[in-house]
Amino acid sequence: GEDVEQSLFLSVREGDSSVINCTYTDSSSTYLYWYKQEPGAGLQLLTYIFSNMDMKQDQRLTVLLNKKDKHLSLRIADTQTGDSAIYFCAEPYSGGSQGNLIFGKGTKLSVKP
Amino acid sequence: DAGVTQSPTHLIKTRGQQVTLRCSPKSGHDTVSWYQQALGQGPQFIFQYYEEEERQRGNFPDRFSGHQFPNYSSELNVNALLLGDSALYLCASSGVDSPYEQYFGPGTRLTVT
Repeated sequence: GEDVEQSLFLSVREGDSSVINCTYTDSSSTYLYWYKQEPGAGLQLLTYIFSNMDMKQDQRLTVLLNKKDKHLSLRIADTQTGDSAIYFCAEPYSGGSQGNLIFGKGTKLSVKP
Repeated sequence: DAGVTQSPTHLIKTRGQQVTLRCSPKSGHDTVSWYQQALGQGPQFIFQYYEEEERQRGNFPDRFSGHQFPNYSSELNVNALLLGDSALYLCASSGVDSPYEQYFGPGTRLTVT
């Protein structure tokens, strides 16, 4: 079946790097996504990576994709207290129309000053 | 440029009642998806609307129905509410120019008592 797995919690100190990991199940996924959710808010699209890429960098964010192991990671450089939030990994439904996503349970990132 | 908007923000209903939630997509977007996010969980896909028709549906009962209007806005209806329907309901939109980018609204918090 389709499932996205993430560790539930991560705690880092301000200024350190954060690495959030995710495993997915569908090897045919075209895109893989990272969303951020702050308390009481909706989901913010952070970044996504196409399946023919191994890495994508966008300012402080680096996404690494290991297709062989179906492993996706999000690295946040110089983590700030404003980065404290829940981060969701998502992949498209197998055979589904574009945009219908399966989400992990989310990783709660806590940044200590 | 207005993002995805949803109304109402919060709603309290009683078991057995019916509820209607509303969503206006981001400007230029024509596809609307609905998700249910229970507390502590990732969002779960309910259904997607395109060209005023339900294009794909997740694993939700028929009590959940929807509609899309000619201006691309959408409604989610839930009949015979159960306590387990208490959740944050998220609307997301995407467009033909960027079908792989799905943007979420702030959500409607539904509490069923």
